[in-house]
Amino acid sequence: SQQGEEDPQALSIQEGENATMNCSYKTSINNLQWYRQNSGRGLVHLILIRSNEREKHSGRLRVTLDTSKKSSSLLITASRAADTASYFCATDDNYGQNFVFGPGTRLSVLP
Amino acid sequence: DGGITQSPKYLFRKEGQNVTLSCEQNLNHDAMYWYRQDPGQGLRLIYYSQIVNDFQKGDIAEGYSVSREKKESFPLTVTSAQKNPTAFYLCASSLGGAGRANEQFFGPGTRLTVL
Repeated sequence: SQQGEEDPQALSIQEGENATMNCSYKTSINNLQWYRQNSGRGLVHLILIRSNEREKHSGRLRVTLDTSKKSSSLLITASRAADTASYFCATDDNYGQNFVFGPGTRLSVLP
Repeated sequence: DGGITQSPKYLFRKEGQNVTLSCEQNLNHDAMYWYRQDPGQGLRLIYYSQIVNDFQKGDIAEGYSVSREKKESFPLTVTSAQKNPTAFYLCASSLGGAGRANEQFFGPGTRLTVL
């Protein structure tokens, strides 16, 4: 059963702008993670936020988590053409198992 | 170099044939996973294993089988019972264990095409 749902499905911005992607989920979670996938490649882990955390930063990435709304957002600041990729959120259950990925947001950063 | 590898990168199969996709990791991870990805879609969980000699079905296990005889290896067999097997298959591993922050490490994927 699909749990994470990203929004928007696709996003196109100019280099230097910020990109915001959202993720919603349905049931209680242990952690929420964001991954990046370049076309035709495996996924790369970006950042993990635990269910008892509200915000986390890593370089140009900022992730927020609102467990009352069952939603998370990923902000990429000062985007670059190299940020062009698909971004997925993933949740695991309270046992740290059974990961569920959303359908992803396709980000295009135009030079 | 530590990591997770998948082979082959591209695989072609005739209808009615079984085919096995390889996944190996040298990260000393307990947990391993198989996902299927269709064009423009997210990942769907096929099977996962938290420990050697044990595995559980994911959301779309029908037509697939796995084994976990060694910690490092988690091969996936796509059987002839899988009606629409053409897809991109991704293997992943993580430390595993309940309550842990389980970042997943992914292999490069195998693209399976049924002719």
